Amino acid sequence: EAGVTQFPSHSVIEKGQTVTLRCDPISGHDNLYWYRRVMGKEIKFLLHFVKESKQDESGMPNNRFLAERTGGTYSTLKVQPAELEDSGVYFCASSQVGRELFYGYTFGSGTRLTVV
Amino acid sequence: AQRVTQPEKLLSVFKGAPVELKCNYSYSGSPELFWYVQYSRQRLQLLLRHISRESIKGFTADLNKGETSFHLKKPFAQEEDSAMYYCALTSGNTPLVFGKGTRLSVIA
Repeated sequence: EAGVTQFPSHSVIEKGQTVTLRCDPISGHDNLYWYRRVMGKEIKFLLHFVKESKQDESGMPNNRFLAERTGGTYSTLKVQPAELEDSGVYFCASSQVGRELFYGYTFGSGTRLTVV
Repeated sequence: AQRVTQPEKLLSVFKGAPVELKCNYSYSGSPELFWYVQYSRQRLQLLLRHISRESIKGFTADLNKGETSFHLKKPFAQEEDSAMYYCALTSGNTPLVFGKGTRLSVIA
């Protein structure tokens, strides 16, 4: 079984530019989550999709962040325009609906975003 | 609000010594707790979950509702246990909330 795949693994962009991160969850996992770890701080929740619907987007920091999951498969997270404080590691995770408590989430390897 | 506190940023122990990684939580309901681990150059992965009452790689964790704690323990640390450990909490229908993590360093 393929795991959760994230692309790119690293991205360095200038302040004001746009970056799009992609996440391919495990096939059959309707839950998809985005998290972010800023240097020295905890892994913070950004957004939760169930299939193509946004179940919870309470963690999205501001309207510069836009997440989509067209067709309920892969998801993209776009940051436009990027600011210095957006630097960090962005994690994607997926899980089967109803099995979160027993199996937890499966995480991708993350995208390290550096805004200069 | 749900909160997870891991008071130690870094914990260094000698190989063969006991390990205890502390985790305290605040949540008014009945939480479900997890420990996740990230080894060097690997992705974050589930280590163990409260609901299963399991022991994985020699690690155990007991939920103490009176002290609102879920400390991770291992009687004899191994070098391969060196990693970043995260405690996490969910109410079941809310996304996982993570602590800041503790870096465990096992010294040979």
